[in-house]
Amino acid sequence: AQSVTQLDSHVSVSEGTPVLLRCNYSSSYSPSLFWYVQHPNKGLQLLLKYTSAATLVKGINGFEAEFKKSETSFHLTKPSAHMSDAAEYFCVVRGGRALTFGSGTRLQVQP
Amino acid sequence: EAGVAQSPRYKIIEKRQSVAFWCNPISGHATLYWYQQILGQGPKLLIQFQNNGVVDDSQLPKDRFSAERLKGVDSTLKIQPAKLEDSAVYLCASSLGLAELDTQYFGPGTRLTVL
Repeated sequence: AQSVTQLDSHVSVSEGTPVLLRCNYSSSYSPSLFWYVQHPNKGLQLLLKYTSAATLVKGINGFEAEFKKSETSFHLTKPSAHMSDAAEYFCVVRGGRALTFGSGTRLQVQP
Repeated sequence: EAGVAQSPRYKIIEKRQSVAFWCNPISGHATLYWYQQILGQGPKLLIQFQNNGVVDDSQLPKDRFSAERLKGVDSTLKIQPAKLEDSAVYLCASSLGLAELDTQYFGPGTRLTVL
């Protein structure tokens, strides 16, 4: 069985400062990992996915995530937050057919 | 490329009534998923189709929920009778196939309120 834990339910940053959204995973075998973003009243959009080809994964809109097997972590980062980044972010693990979502982290960006 | 379409976007019903949601996946996508997202939680898989066959419905409350994908394209999800705890956003997603890294594309969802 696989699961993900998003360590922060809310994160608030100032525009132009770095973003860090934390995710730990549990999986009985080598997992596939994803980050999705959900803007209000919009569908979930894939930010990036871990394919096991490289531990540092680059996604859309300047986001990236680093897979650390020793720490069972897959944290999402961005060097400089923009107002449009304000949304709900989900860390997701896939083992077999199903996607298992974390509970989400709401990112607020202050002007 | 058109995305995943869902209708209606919003639905308000009273408990014990029935309701149906419709989903049209991205053209050519063989795999279709229905998720339930309760407020403050991540989406939870209800059912997964490969073409018109069910791959996984282990999390579907079959006493009240049903879903079909008769021609392997559009799908409907039905709740009968609805309970208060069914209030949630129902998300439809599709992917090319069942491969481990096939990206799932999500529709905007249907927000259901049960009074």
